[in-house]
Formats: sequence, structure tokens, C-alpha cells
Amino acid sequence: GESVGLHLPTLSVQEGDNSIINCAYSNSASDYFIWYKQESGKGPQFIIDIRSNMDKRQGQRVTVLLNKTVKHLSLQIAATQPGDSAVYFCAEGGYNKLIFGAGTRLAVHP
Amino acid sequence: GAGVSQSPSNKVTEKGKDVELRCDPISGHTALYWYRQSLGQGLEFLIYFQGNSAPDKSGLPSDRFSAERTGGSVSTLTIQRTQQEDSAVYLCASSSPIAWGNTEAFFGQGTRLTVV
Repeated sequence: GESVGLHLPTLSVQEGDNSIINCAYSNSASDYFIWYKQESGKGPQFIIDIRSNMDKRQGQRVTVLLNKTVKHLSLQIAATQPGDSAVYFCAEGGYNKLIFGAGTRLAVHP
Repeated sequence: GAGVSQSPSNKVTEKGKDVELRCDPISGHTALYWYRQSLGQGLEFLIYFQGNSAPDKSGLPSDRFSAERTGGSVSTLTIQRTQQEDSAVYLCASSSPIAWGNTEAFFGQGTRLTVV
């Protein structure tokens, strides 16, 4: 469903560790998925996307994994840096509007 | 323009006043979204425009909220008789869906609305 007024869960990691942020999506007909990063005071920024004909896609230090069987999406960030601290949102879509998940706050500690 | 532009960036208004928030999407983008984000919280969907189709207004929280998109480009979100709980950042996004479905949405920087 739609994300409505939810307080964000927080994932705390040590600098240099790998981070895994998870997202459960709602619509089995969705065939397009995106991860966004939102830094404080800014609008969400595109990180990486994946279509349903793939189960893995890699970018620079980031990997998105898609498990259509259980409707699960994850974002892996390698060697997490302080600049990765932000709120991360997943989004799903098909032929209609994109639907955003509730978001996860990533806190990176030195 | 190069990106999604929203104005004003900040708006302080008195309770009971009407406000208009403007969004200039990326040129050529047929899809436009409005979201609301309260401090420290997630994205709350408000309304979605796609081409000439009837807008999806399912997220508008009350009849005090309305939005228009004139000429398939600029959009205005209007909040009538503002209440303190309307205070939030209002985000606009646009995208250019392709034949086989969605593409990424590009967000503006948002309008921070404060109702006093």
C-alpha cells in the first residue's frame, strides 16, 4: 500500500562495513523497481533500478537484488561511508504510478 | 529546465489561509507526482497525473487539497484553509513512462510549508 506517516526504521552500521537495506513490495504485477537516497533537506535521488526480467543489478558500490517469489527487494552498499548516511526508499511500478515504501534511515558510525 | 523545479522553497502561512505550491516538471515528462513528507517520516502519496488520463487523487487527505496540471506541464497544489497539521515538505516528481512501463521519477527539492 501507500507509505503514510510512518516513523522510519534505522539501520546503524560501522564505516567500512557492508550495508543491506531491505524492502518488501506489495504488488506481484510490479515489474520495475527503484532505490532512492534522500539526504537531509533534499529531495530523493535515484540510485539504481531493476526490471523484473533480472534478479541482480550492480552499480558503483551498490547492488540491487530482486526476489520475485517472495516480493522482496534489497539494496547492498559495499564499504559504507559516512556520506552514505541518508534515508533510503524503494519504489515499485508497472504501468501505473510508482509506489514508494516507508523508507529506512541508514546511520554510518566511524 | 534541467530538473524539476518547485516554488516557493519555503512558505510560512497563517492557519486558515489558502496556499498554492508550484511544480515545473522536466520538459516532456508526461507523469507528475505530488508527495507530502512530514519531519522524519516517509513519503505520503497525494496525487498522480499521467498524460491526458484522469488524475489519481486517491492520496489527497481531505477536500481542502486539490491539484491541477495545466497543458500537461506545470502543476499547482492548492491547500485551502490551512491547518497546522498541513505543515510538511511537499515534494513533486516527474517521469517519462515508456511503452513497457515506468521509468525513474525525478524529484524537486520540495516546498517546506509551515502553518502558524
